[in-house]
Amino acid sequence: KQEVTQIPAALSVPEGENLVLNCSFTDSAIYNLQWFRQDPGKGLTSLLLIQSSQREQTSGRLNASLDKSSGRSTLYIAASQPGDSATYLCAVRPGTGANNLFFGTGTRLTVIP
Amino acid sequence: DVKVTQSSRYLVKRTGEKVFLECVQDMDHENMFWYRQDPGLGLRLIYFSYDVKMKEKGDIPEGYSVSREKKERFSLILESASTNQTSMYLCASSFTPNSGNTIYFGEGSWLTVV
Repeated sequence: KQEVTQIPAALSVPEGENLVLNCSFTDSAIYNLQWFRQDPGKGLTSLLLIQSSQREQTSGRLNASLDKSSGRSTLYIAASQPGDSATYLCAVRPGTGANNLFFGTGTRLTVIP
Repeated sequence: DVKVTQSSRYLVKRTGEKVFLECVQDMDHENMFWYRQDPGLGLRLIYFSYDVKMKEKGDIPEGYSVSREKKERFSLILESASTNQTSMYLCASSFTPNSGNTIYFGEGSWLTVV
């Protein structure tokens, strides 16, 4: 069964710093990988989706990379802002195209003004 | 914008009560999902549906059932609520899985069973 791990569980950085969040998965046969943001007590908002054939995706200050063979993805946040404070989750869809997504438990990011 | 609406944000129910959690999406998505989210365990799939009247068990279906009578609506039912079902429940929807499209989530429903 696919297992998705996100380390660290929590991260605090000063405003303006660039940072990287990590996601690893045990089965490299994935269909795609998605990064989400979750604010306290709220649902998940999709940030970036990377298909298995892609290496990276960019949206504004966010850049997600995918190394399928090594089972890793990173989310790079440039010039962090206090508004970036949230929990970031990654999720993989199996290569079979099955409906289920396998989620990591997330990294809780705090950006200190 | 895609909207997934969960009608109840906060509920408090008694043990043994029957509980309905409703979810509606407005983008004509084929697929709908119910997850629960617990600290340290992440999101776990309870049930999903890929078409009207169709349902598939997820990882933790025990104690739950679902109903999808219309394409836009997916209901999660707790036949007899128990305290270990206290959790945050998240509904989601997406287009056909092999299209690789994004999955969209609702705001969540916080259920406390006392």
